[in-house]
Amino acid sequence: DAKTTQPPSMDCAEGRAANLPCNHSTISGNEYVYWYRQIHSQGPQYIIHGLKNNETNEMASLIITEDRKSSTLILPHATLRDTAVYYCIVRVVSSGSARQLTFGSGTQLTVLP
Amino acid sequence: GAGVSQSPRYKVAKRGQDVALRCDPISGHVSLFWYQQALGQGPEFLTYFQNEAQLDKSGLPSDRFFAERPEGSVSTLKIQRTQQEDSAVYLCASSQGTGNYGYTFGSGTRLTVV
Repeated sequence: DAKTTQPPSMDCAEGRAANLPCNHSTISGNEYVYWYRQIHSQGPQYIIHGLKNNETNEMASLIITEDRKSSTLILPHATLRDTAVYYCIVRVVSSGSARQLTFGSGTQLTVLP
Repeated sequence: GAGVSQSPRYKVAKRGQDVALRCDPISGHVSLFWYQQALGQGPEFLTYFQNEAQLDKSGLPSDRFFAERPEGSVSTLKIQRTQQEDSAVYLCASSQGTGNYGYTFGSGTRLTVV
């Protein structure tokens, strides 16, 4: 699976949009971009994933560049409860056997009051 | 249940002691993973089950680590003769299928070896 690069930490004001970048310049055509987050003392939580189109769900939006070498996770109105480590993961998806997630160091997002 | 349940939540073991960590995945979930997370690090893959079959155990750090899922539901991770470097949070995750699904993680078991 392709390697990802994320900034180690970011701050965001409560109520503002949080934009978390991720570089995955070696991504292959059959690799998806996944985002998970981990709140302190909890297990990672799935947020969103995409292949090449932008995606949106109730938690966040995922913007993938046209060349797919980078992406941005957007939390539109950050709250204090969004303070967590955010992981960007690139993973091949196959129907026959599930593939493990390879976590990097992630981005520590701190939402400030 | 509604989520992935892991027990115990905390475990303190004396060095050399054997421990068993339990994972109850979401009912009907086919795929089950174990991860190890050291303090300040991201989770690292240990092993993967598809139903009762252990398809990948490449992440197990030594032969002291053993995992099973005999009936394709509950899984147990066993660590024999624990050592201080085994101290970590052990996470279990499950997924309903083998394809393009998000995984649901439990809250983990924090193992401290003293």
